[in-house]
Amino acid sequence: DAGVIQSPRHEVTEMGQEVTLRCKPISGHDYLFWYRQTMMRGLELLIYFNNNVPIDDSGMPEDRFSAKMPNASFSTLKIQPSEPRDSAVYFCASSGGGETQYFGPGTRLLVL
Amino acid sequence: EDQVTQSPEALRLQEGESSSLNCSYTVSGLRGLFWYRQDPGKGPEFLFTLYSAGEEKEKERLKATLTKKESFLHITAPKPEDSATYLCAVLTDSWGKFQFGAGTQVVVTP
Repeated sequence: DAGVIQSPRHEVTEMGQEVTLRCKPISGHDYLFWYRQTMMRGLELLIYFNNNVPIDDSGMPEDRFSAKMPNASFSTLKIQPSEPRDSAVYFCASSGGGETQYFGPGTRLLVL
Repeated sequence: EDQVTQSPEALRLQEGESSSLNCSYTVSGLRGLFWYRQDPGKGPEFLFTLYSAGEEKEKERLKATLTKKESFLHITAPKPEDSATYLCAVLTDSWGKFQFGAGTQVVVTP
């Protein structure tokens, strides 16, 4: 199994630009999670899906953040417009049955 | 409010010097406690799941234990390749939502 796949691995953009992060979960997993990791706040859960349906988006910081899961094998996290304080590593994780989560390699985002 | 606290924040060990990491939690109902290892520039890698007090799991030089209020990750005779940040997470509801601790950064020197 290829594991959780994320793209891009690195993204550098300017303030105000739209950023789209992509995730392909492990085949057969029914849960998908988006996290953000910073030195100051550690790993924060942003949103998670069960069977492609958003269950809890209480961790999404602002309306500038949105996430979609159009099918079982693809999800996006979009930031529009981006701000320097959004700079972080964004992880996608998936699980089967809502227990052990398997993480992707992350997308390192830098907003200038 | 659910809380997960890891200590110490950082740990520096000599190769072969055994030690323990702590993960204490105050949650309304624990469904499972998970340990992960994270190397720089990579995503967290799953190590163990513990479900009930008294349970223990082992993998190579690592051993995880669980009580009603905390979990320990024991590192026996560590090697430099055990250097990483170790994260614990608790699962408290039926929807798969984890709460992570801040992690313990372990450095093992030869």
